[in-house]
Amino acid sequence: KAGVTQTPRYLIKTRGQQVTLSCSPISGHRSVSWYQQTPGQGLQFLFEYFSETQRNKGNFPGRFSGRQFSNSRSEMNVSTLELGDSALYLCASSFDRDYGYTFGSGTRLTVV
Amino acid sequence: AQSVTQPDIHITVSEGASLELRCNYSYGATPYLFWYVQSPGQGLQLLLKYFSGDTLVQGIKGFEAEFKRSQSSFNLRKPSVHWSDAAEYFCAVGAEAGSYQLTFGKGTKLSVIP
Repeated sequence: KAGVTQTPRYLIKTRGQQVTLSCSPISGHRSVSWYQQTPGQGLQFLFEYFSETQRNKGNFPGRFSGRQFSNSRSEMNVSTLELGDSALYLCASSFDRDYGYTFGSGTRLTVV
Repeated sequence: AQSVTQPDIHITVSEGASLELRCNYSYGATPYLFWYVQSPGQGLQLLLKYFSGDTLVQGIKGFEAEFKRSQSSFNLRKPSVHWSDAAEYFCAVGAEAGSYQLTFGKGTKLSVIP
């Protein structure tokens, strides 16, 4: 059974650019969540999607957005990149929270 | 709002010694509790979870955790640590009704002395 797949694994972008990260959940999982991990702030919740609808959103600026497609694949976009956006972005999928959340290996974004 | 505290930033143990990683949470009702492990440059792997029922939960890799409501704790234990257990460990709570959001602790880095 394939796990959660995140692409790309690594990205280097310049300040002011935008970036799109992709997440393919485990087959059958309808919920996809995104987290940002930095050494200073730790793991912080960005947003969660279920059946193409955003159900929860964390405390991040509007530059951070996401969407989910009908096949449950999800993308997150960060516009006008700042140096502080450098982080490991993790995606997690879940069939139902009673079953727990499975995380992908993450996308390491470096903004220069 | 829910919160999680992992009081120990870094713990060093000898291989073969027992391990206990502490986790305290803040939430009014019975929370959904998780322990995850992360190796450098990798994602998070679920070790175990607690939702209800038996307060002693068994997980993968020989780990277990005990939910203590009176102490708002969910400590992770392993009777004998292996060098491959060196990693960072995160406790998380998912509690808000209808929410799939996890709130994580800051993590505990485990070093293992051969």
